[in-house]
Amino acid sequence: EIVLTQSPGTLSLSPGERATLSCRASQSVSSNYLAWYQQKPGQAPRLLIYGASSRPAGIPDRFSGSGSGTDFTLTISRLEPEDSAVYYCQQYHNSRTFGQGTKVEIK
Amino acid sequence: EVQLVESGGGLVKPGGSLRLSCAASGYTFTNAWMNWVRQAPGKGLEWVGRVKSKTDGGTTDYTAPVKGRFTISRDDSKTTLYLQMNSLKTEDTAVYFCASGTYHYDAFDIWGQGTMVTVSS
Repeated sequence: EIVLTQSPGTLSLSPGERATLSCRASQSVSSNYLAWYQQKPGQAPRLLIYGASSRPAGIPDRFSGSGSGTDFTLTISRLEPEDSAVYYCQQYHNSRTFGQGTKVEIK
Repeated sequence: EVQLVESGGGLVKPGGSLRLSCAASGYTFTNAWMNWVRQAPGKGLEWVGRVKSKTDGGTTDYTAPVKGRFTISRDDSKTTLYLQMNSLKTEDTAVYFCASGTYHYDAFDIWGQGTMVTVSS
């Protein structure tokens, strides 16, 4: 099983700042089968990034994904108050697993 | 509108059984690989399992903690996904979501609202 480790556990930033979230895999995630999700309390997760760097329709371009192999990053270029949420990475190359999540707090 | 609606959650005693349903509408269910994902109270997301489309073999995969206890099936004529849960344990307590991907394999862009399963005596 591929284990995904996210860091930091919590990120506290001000509106307009840049957020950088990390996701490290225990083995290589081939073909960049890596996704990122945003989840707010009481809601289902929302897909932000698939294929490590592609955005689905309707996702603002301030969200971007990068990385390959075992190291992946989600960047939120200019934080807005509504970006307060927990963010999860997920690999779908070898079975499917999620990271433990990074909580983003907006000051 | 693309929609997944789960039902069937509730309170069940340890060792008991429960069947969840997920009704799909607004997209081509027949071609979709369908998944169950759960979230224990205050915890992160855990993938439970998946059934492929019939054209891709209709096979199932499960996470280790539920293998041999949970069974995923689908009825394409009813555009409905099922999760049969047997020998339930307290650690199965969670919100159960059905989910599917339309962009890239199992990157899940379609989610239901979730249904709560509580396993307690």
